[in-house]
Amino acid sequence: AIQMTQSPSSLSASVGDRVTITCRASQGIRNDLGWYQQKPGKAPKLLIYAASSLQSGVPSRFSGSGSGTDFTLTISSLQPEDFATYYCLQDYNYPPTFGQGTRLEIK
Amino acid sequence: EVQLVESGGGLVQPGRSLRLSCTASGFTFGDYAMSWFRQAPGKGLEWVGFIRSKAYGGTTEYAASVKGRFTISRDDSKSIAYLQMNSLKTEDTAVYYCTRGNWFDPWGQGTLVTVSS
Repeated sequence: AIQMTQSPSSLSASVGDRVTITCRASQGIRNDLGWYQQKPGKAPKLLIYAASSLQSGVPSRFSGSGSGTDFTLTISSLQPEDFATYYCLQDYNYPPTFGQGTRLEIK
Repeated sequence: EVQLVESGGGLVQPGRSLRLSCTASGFTFGDYAMSWFRQAPGKGLEWVGFIRSKAYGGTTEYAASVKGRFTISRDDSKSIAYLQMNSLKTEDTAVYYCTRGNWFDPWGQGTLVTVSS
């Protein structure tokens, strides 16, 4: 199975900060990567698909980039509702595999 | 509005069976693959398996951890996807989510399965 290494595992930031989360695949996955946000007690929500495409209804402060093995999720200006856990997910082949998650906390 | 609602979770003893349902609304169910994921308490997300749409053969794929014990099926006439779980183990304890399509969106609210004696 493809291993997804996500970093950092946790991150403290303030409202208005720009934050970046990275994900590295153990082999090339083209752009078959999504980013998901999960709040406590809630289901995950798709933010970015195909590495850089913004899902409908997701604020434009979220962006994704990368291809091959290295990917990035950027939040340009953190809002209070953005404090959550973020996961990357590769859908290049089976089984789909997640990164370990990044818990984004308020500083 | 596209909506997925899971049901059927609960407390079950090891070795027993349970069937989860995922009832869909707001879209043409038969046009989409449907997937199941799970999340053990305090842990990350794990893919369980999925079923393709009939147009792609309606075939299934499973995670190694559940292959041979879990079966995914679908009833397009009722817009329901099922997850039949047999020979349950304590490590199957998790919230189970269903989701739609290739990019897994949206997700249902989840249903908790607790495997314990």
